Amino acid sequence: AQTVTQSQPEMSVQEAETVTLSCTYDTSESNYYLFWYKQPPSRQMILVIRQEAYKQQNATENRFSVNFQKAAKSFSLKISDSQLGDTAMYFCAFDRAQKLVFGQGTRLTINP
Amino acid sequence: GAVVSQHPSRVICKSGTSVKIECRSLDFQATTMFWYRQFPKQSLMLMATSNEGSKATYEQGVEKDKFLINHASLTLSTLTVTSAHPEDSSFYICSALQGATNEKLFFGSGTQLSVL
Repeated sequence: AQTVTQSQPEMSVQEAETVTLSCTYDTSESNYYLFWYKQPPSRQMILVIRQEAYKQQNATENRFSVNFQKAAKSFSLKISDSQLGDTAMYFCAFDRAQKLVFGQGTRLTINP
Repeated sequence: GAVVSQHPSRVICKSGTSVKIECRSLDFQATTMFWYRQFPKQSLMLMATSNEGSKATYEQGVEKDKFLINHASLTLSTLTVTSAHPEDSSFYICSALQGATNEKLFFGSGTQLSVL
């Protein structure tokens, strides 16, 4: 069974700083998808970024980028120039036949 | 992006009653919808997969007789919590798949269920 582990329950940085959230996963599959989702206080799940495992190039969406290390089964999220609106829970997720397996989440706080 | 509407956003009910939660894809057809639950300060756990016109597929440990799922049309799936008890109090979230690829997966805004 696939498992997703986020080892940082909470993180806090100053506005405009760069922060990296870590995620590791376990699977025996060779082709799969990984995601980072953001859940702000409204609790709406918002897709941040998506990575296809067979693509070696790391996905990037504006200030958000990932460091995907397939051999190490690591999938970290880097947020550059952090903004107050980035404050939220962040969940790493693994796609299991279009059913998502989520990590425990990291509560990120951006301080002014 | 596409919109998934979930209703109600919050419901309080007495123990023993049943509660229905609706999940609608407003501007697309969703042959597959998913139901998750999230306990306070915890992650989302998949409960079941809902396919239009067929029986839902439940994850291990989820009581199908307690959590009734109906996907009667391509735009609507419902989750009914039957004979609710305080331990069923949780945040329930649906997601809907537009097409066959996960890049078109959209979440509802969730329903907070409180059972007294």
